[in-house]
Amino acid sequence: SAVISQKPSRDICQRGTSLTIQCQVDSQVTMMFWYRQQPGQSLTLIATANQGSEATYESGFVIDKFPISRPNLTFSTLTVSNMSPEDSSIYLCSVEARMGYNEQFFGPGTRLTVL
Amino acid sequence: LAKTTQPISMDSYEGQEVNITCSHNNIATNDYITWYQQFPSQGPRFIIQGYKTKVTNEVASLFIPADRKSSTLSLPRVSLSDTAVYYCLVGDPLAGANNLFFGTGTRLTVIP
Repeated sequence: SAVISQKPSRDICQRGTSLTIQCQVDSQVTMMFWYRQQPGQSLTLIATANQGSEATYESGFVIDKFPISRPNLTFSTLTVSNMSPEDSSIYLCSVEARMGYNEQFFGPGTRLTVL
Repeated sequence: LAKTTQPISMDSYEGQEVNITCSHNNIATNDYITWYQQFPSQGPRFIIQGYKTKVTNEVASLFIPADRKSSTLSLPRVSLSDTAVYYCLVGDPLAGANNLFFGTGTRLTVIP
């Protein structure tokens, strides 16, 4: 199994600022995923991040708002830019556990509150 | 994306067997059925995956009828620690996470 850590675990930010969330995995992985989970809601995939290429964004999410970096096979960052209260959510990163299974390991999440 | 429908919530007493049913009428040939568990303030955790008939592991059983348009997650003898949200997903395991859809999930509350 993979161990995933995220920093920060939580933050409170002002409207209009940006926050960068870090995701660290204890093993090398090809793909990393970023999700958003709004309070009491389900998870929504934001983007898929492959090392060495630009992230692939899902419908409703754009690179200008959620730039992603993937500098190596164990690390990724997600930036939430020009934040508004609607961005208040839990942001989770995940990695695929094994080929042939819809199994992902998830990080503990970053709880973001925008005032 | 194959969408799923599950009950919003369920209550059960400790020690009982709990069955959570998920409907997925537009499941595709290459899709597998996967269940996740999520505790508060944690990321989801994989429970079980199956394609057809029955799959069992140390945590749960998954029953899938021949038409595959629904599936049932069975948790034997639940305890208070099984209180969580359970998500049913369908998708092709070789197609990546972007073909998976986390629906509303079922909030299971286990009562002493």
